[in-house]
Amino acid sequence: KAGVTQTPRYLIKTRGQQVTLSCSPISGHRSVSWYQQTPGQGLQFLFEYFSETQRNKGNFPGRFSGRQFSNSRSEMNVSTLELGDSALYLCASSSGTGSNSPLHFGNGTRLTVT
Amino acid sequence: KQEVTQIPAALSVPEGENLVLNCSFTDSAIYNLQWFRQDPGKGLTSLLLIQSSQREQTSGRLNASLDKSSGRSTLYIAASQPGDSATYLCAALTSGTYKYIFGTGTRLKVLA
Repeated sequence: KAGVTQTPRYLIKTRGQQVTLSCSPISGHRSVSWYQQTPGQGLQFLFEYFSETQRNKGNFPGRFSGRQFSNSRSEMNVSTLELGDSALYLCASSSGTGSNSPLHFGNGTRLTVT
Repeated sequence: KQEVTQIPAALSVPEGENLVLNCSFTDSAIYNLQWFRQDPGKGLTSLLLIQSSQREQTSGRLNASLDKSSGRSTLYIAASQPGDSATYLCAALTSGTYKYIFGTGTRLKVLA
């Protein structure tokens, strides 16, 4: 079974630009969640999608948005990039139901904003 | 509001030693607690998941325990090896919000 795939692996953008990150979950998984990881703040939850609907949301500004498609693939968009958005962005998938559904992570997208 | 703490932040041990990593959480209303390892520049790898009704889970040299009443989980690593060197994170799936809250991790180095 293929794991969670995130593309691209690395991105370099300039302040003010926008960026779209992609995540393909494990086959059969209906939940996709996104996290931002930085050395100072650790892993912070951005949002979670389940069956194309946003089910949960963290405390990030509206510049961060996402969506999920009917095949469970998900995209995350960040508009008007700021230097502080430089981070490792991780996507995780799970079946999304019950208490015995572990999170499976991709290798992340390293975003650098200059 | 759920808070998850991991102490110590870093740990260095000689190869072969048995060790315990700690994870504390403030809200005992959880569905499960999951342990991960993260290698530098990579994503997280799931190690063990303990449901709220369980007390422990084992996989090979790893054993994780859960005590909801005291808000604690421990990850026991037996006979540590240099390949165990990584950052270990715990995460609690909180009831009500159905969100995973992560600890800040323990960076483990096993010396050959």
